[in-house]
Amino acid sequence: NAGVTQTPKFQVLKTGQSMTLQCAQDMNHEYMSWYRQDPGMGLRLIHYSVGAGITDQGEVPNGYNVSRSTTEDFPLRLLSAAPSQTSVYFCASSYEGGGRSGANVLTFGAGSRLTVL
Amino acid sequence: GQQVMQIPQYQHVQEGEDFTTYCNSSTTLSNIQWYKQRPGGHPVFLIQLVKSGEVKKQKRLTFQFGEAKKNSSLHITATQTTDVGTYFCAGRGAQKLVFGQGTRLTINP
Repeated sequence: NAGVTQTPKFQVLKTGQSMTLQCAQDMNHEYMSWYRQDPGMGLRLIHYSVGAGITDQGEVPNGYNVSRSTTEDFPLRLLSAAPSQTSVYFCASSYEGGGRSGANVLTFGAGSRLTVL
Repeated sequence: GQQVMQIPQYQHVQEGEDFTTYCNSSTTLSNIQWYKQRPGGHPVFLIQLVKSGEVKKQKRLTFQFGEAKKNSSLHITATQTTDVGTYFCAGRGAQKLVFGQGTRLTINP
C-alpha cells in the first residue's frame, strides 16, 4: 500500500516552461487536492477534486490546471512557469465523508520541490 | 472567507519545557484537525476534534477544542527532541479545510 505518490521530487524550470506534477493514490479516496507550501504561509489549497471528472478551484488557483480522469490520478499542470511558483507542492487525498473511519483526514504525499529560474 | 490564524509562528524551547500553539478561526468550525510536519517531511495527521469543549490526549500531547468551536490548542508537556517540527491546525467550516500558518518548534537539547 503505497499511499500517495508524487513525482518528481525535485524539478528546476526556466520561466515560461511548462510541466506536470504527478500524483497517484491507491487508497480509493474520492477527494484529492494540491497544496503549495511557502515559508510563513502555511499550506494553501490550489485545486481539489471530489471525484473523477469533478474539479474545483482552491485559494490560489491562478497559473495551475488540473484534471481528474480516474479516481487514482490527479496531475497538476503549470502551463507557463513563473518565479512566483517556486514552492514545495503537496498532493493530499482522503475519503469524502459518509461517516467512514478516516473520512476527511488528509494523507499527504512526500512533496515536490519546484524551482523556477 | 474562512480564515484560520495560528500563533506563534516560531517557538524555541529547552528540552523538557512545555510548548503550546493556538489556533483561531474567523468562523465556527464543524471540526478541527492537527498535523505535524517533521523538517524536510510532509504533514502527518495527528488528531481530529469534533465536539464543543472536547479534550483529547496522546501521551504528552493534549488537544483542546473551544466551547464556541472557533479555537483550538495543542499543548506538549516536557518536550523531547523528537517533537521538533511544524504543527498545523486545519479547520473545516462550511467550505474546504483551511490550514493555519503553522508553528515551527525547535528544541535545544
